[in-house]
Amino acid sequence: GQQLNQSPQSMFIQEGEDVSMNCTSSSIFNTWLWYKQDPGEGPVLLIALYKAGELTSNGRLTAQFGITRKDSFLNISASIPSDVGIYFCAGLTSGTYKYIFGTGTRLKVLA
Amino acid sequence: NAGVMQNPRHLVRRRGQEARLRCSPMKGHSHVYWYRQLPEEGLKFMVYLQKENIIDESGMPKERFSAEFPKEGPSILRIQQVVRGDSAAYFCASSPRSGLAGYEQYFGPGTRLTVT
Repeated sequence: GQQLNQSPQSMFIQEGEDVSMNCTSSSIFNTWLWYKQDPGEGPVLLIALYKAGELTSNGRLTAQFGITRKDSFLNISASIPSDVGIYFCAGLTSGTYKYIFGTGTRLKVLA
Repeated sequence: NAGVMQNPRHLVRRRGQEARLRCSPMKGHSHVYWYRQLPEEGLKFMVYLQKENIIDESGMPKERFSAEFPKEGPSILRIQQVVRGDSAAYFCASSPRSGLAGYEQYFGPGTRLTVT
């Protein structure tokens, strides 16, 4: 079945640093969603991407829809302690209803 | 402007009992998705429903699991004769599915099922 490889699996960074993570697949997607999940809570939608090459920002977060349509990237600038959590990507292929979720990037911010 | 609501938040069942998980989508959303999440893992699609219709249940086990989204009331995910392996967090997401915005899914807080 389809798989999304998300990397890195986890990362420790210093407060104020920028963070980059990505999602890659062998399949082509026409929609990418990025979520953040805190412990014991449901995922919260951060950014939605609909076109190859699209670059979208939400505050300190910027996400890009890869030009090949097989990958997506999420950057967080000037990280703060509340950025701690698990970040998931989700991809949707044309004509389907099922989003495929990545395995998550666990972010820990050291104050 | 309430978000997706799920109840109960925590549910404990003994092996062999039935578990009923409820999901009320966001106002104006008529599309509901159920996902299952094991600790330290991503979300796995189970079923997609519209009002009174199951559109895609390919991710849901064929036995013991069922889902519905009636004309009135919340969507229900039912697990009969629960086993320990059913212990997980179950999330519901809703979508308006109108134009581009329809592709966004908004999640509820989840129901954490523990089978003893």
